[in-house]
Amino acid sequence: DVKVTQSSRYLVKRTGEKVFLECVQDMDHENMFWYRQDPGLGLRLIYFSYDVKMKEKGDIPEGYSVSREKKERFSLILESASTNQTSMYLCASSPRDRGHGYTFGSGTRLTVV
Amino acid sequence: KNQVEQSPQSLIILEGKNCTLQCNYTVSPFSNLRWYKQDTGRGPVSLTIMTFSENTKSNGRYTATLDADTKQSSLHITASQLSDSASYICVVSAGQAGTALIFGKGTTLSVSS
Repeated sequence: DVKVTQSSRYLVKRTGEKVFLECVQDMDHENMFWYRQDPGLGLRLIYFSYDVKMKEKGDIPEGYSVSREKKERFSLILESASTNQTSMYLCASSPRDRGHGYTFGSGTRLTVV
Repeated sequence: KNQVEQSPQSLIILEGKNCTLQCNYTVSPFSNLRWYKQDTGRGPVSLTIMTFSENTKSNGRYTATLDADTKQSSLHITASQLSDSASYICVVSAGQAGTALIFGKGTTLSVSS
């Protein structure tokens, strides 16, 4: 069974902390994505990567950065966490042709206090 | 502007009843349309994916329809169960290789006994 694994289900961090959210996929997918999901706003794309060491900004990249050093791993970094980054974070991956095989992880519920 | 609109925003039905969720989109060029089920606190899980030439696709008690002329899709749930309580998200892929995903905000379904 194909999997996208996010390292934490729940995280609580303090304002100003540097936060790392990790995502690993075992499907040899080229594309990986980070979304955040907030009530009434749906899923919004933060960053995506279409290859190792490649990254593209999504719709709301401000306050975030990403790292893709290996094909299977895509990390989201909050350089200095703020309360407005409290959200559900979802990682996803897909093969190069994004028409098919788009798979989500289980999500990380991040609370910044 | 590419948009996906879902209705209703929320729905409450009795166990055993049928229901239909709607998705209207203004996305061009259209690549495919997917329905996802998202349980509370979890990541979305794919139910169906339909391309331009498909107008019906079933997955157990879930049946999705697509009318590419009117740019409408529906998700019909038959003989609902308590476990169907979730958010249902319509996602449309745009571009030749489905390189952009446009998410609806979802319909929250509650099935009560």
